[in-house]
Amino acid sequence: EDQVTQSPEALRLQEGESSSLNCSYTVSGLRGLFWYRQDPGKGPEFLFTLYSAGEEKEKERLKATLTKKESFLHITAPKPEDSATYLCAVQARDYKLSFGAGTTVTVRA
Amino acid sequence: EAEVAQSPRYKITEKSQAVAFWCDPISGHATLYWYRQILGQGPELLVQFQDESVVDDSQLPKDRFSAERLKGVDSTLKIQPAELGDSAMYLCASSLDREEVTQYFGPGTRLLVL
Repeated sequence: EDQVTQSPEALRLQEGESSSLNCSYTVSGLRGLFWYRQDPGKGPEFLFTLYSAGEEKEKERLKATLTKKESFLHITAPKPEDSATYLCAVQARDYKLSFGAGTTVTVRA
Repeated sequence: EAEVAQSPRYKITEKSQAVAFWCDPISGHATLYWYRQILGQGPELLVQFQDESVVDDSQLPKDRFSAERLKGVDSTLKIQPAELGDSAMYLCASSLDREEVTQYFGPGTRLLVL
């Protein structure tokens, strides 16, 4: 069974304090690993897709990396507007998407 | 920018009542998904459509949940009768087709069953 585990569950950062979120996974035939941002009471917003180990993608203060067993989402010099829950998901060979429980990031000014 | 539309945004109902949620995917997207997200957890797939056909409803509680996408465009998810445990966020997502990996989500419908 495909599994996605995200850590930590919650992360409190001071503005400008860089950190990383972890997503470890087991999946039968990885088609893609996804990062989404979800604000309270809203639907997930697509951030990145990573397809193979060694791949990296960046968007503003966010950078996602992928290895064969895990992915990291690095937040560089975060701002309060980066506060959200970040969800990781993997798509398996059968095209099914499995989500982790998310990491809730709070950035204090 | 094209978006997935959902309505209503919020729904409060009493247990044993019927509720229905509507979703309009991004234009041209053949694949539509309904997810349920319980507070503090990630979304879990309920049903997946390819055009008007159901391709996966293995996690849909079929005794009380039903979903349709009659013309292969918009979709309706129904719960009858609603139970207290159905309180959750119901999310709709769409992708270009089944093999297009990226799914785009709508704003969700927050359901509270009293």
